[in-house]
Amino acid sequence: QSALSQPPSASGTPGQRVTISCSGTISNIGTKTVNWYQQLPGTAPKLLMYSDNERPSGVPDRFSGSRFGTSASLAISGLQSEDEADYYCSAWDDSLNGVVFGGGTKLTVL
Amino acid sequence: QVQLVQSGSELKKPGASVKISCKASGYIFTGYSVNWVRQAPGQGLEWMGWISTNTGIPIYAQGFTGRFVFSLDTSVTTAYLQISSLDVEDTAVYYCMRDRGRVKENWFDPWGQGTLVIVSS
Repeated sequence: QSALSQPPSASGTPGQRVTISCSGTISNIGTKTVNWYQQLPGTAPKLLMYSDNERPSGVPDRFSGSRFGTSASLAISGLQSEDEADYYCSAWDDSLNGVVFGGGTKLTVL
Repeated sequence: QVQLVQSGSELKKPGASVKISCKASGYIFTGYSVNWVRQAPGQGLEWMGWISTNTGIPIYAQGFTGRFVFSLDTSVTTAYLQISSLDVEDTAVYYCMRDRGRVKENWFDPWGQGTLVIVSS
């Protein structure tokens, strides 16, 4: 069981806006910033968002992140077929004294 | 460009050991720690810990003490993960990553391409 909770699946049609949630506790998301990783099928994860809402170079501005309280969200607007992937949130956890990941959300573009 | 290149897939028998390499290039190796993550088949990501490329001191996550060893050879900018007494439950893809974040605010970029370890009799 992952320390961070994500819905196992999400879906949307091309052009739609979808959000993926990530729920934690005071020992992680409540006090630490959240990062998001995208894992395309058969490939290694890639950094998608860091420090809640910072996009690495090359990540389209269709992707945005936010954090409030003990939850975080990743929003994808103008959904494209190439966005079909698994998405993972992560944060530092003070209780576990280490990095924790969510269980991942499989995004399907219908 | 900045990249981490891992060694190839491994097929091992239960009880054996495996050593995975992670070759860094395109940046100052000792400027960033190296972290390791495990991904079992069809499962999510599990953080295994990290090693300081400055001091060589490893830190292991809960559940990854004893059989797992992180090491470095800074002369060839390479990090290693060794797993001993392999069990079928160790079958997974193992990733190395560069830590670009700060203390307790870690983010990983880039990731190695992953090394598949299959443990089977």
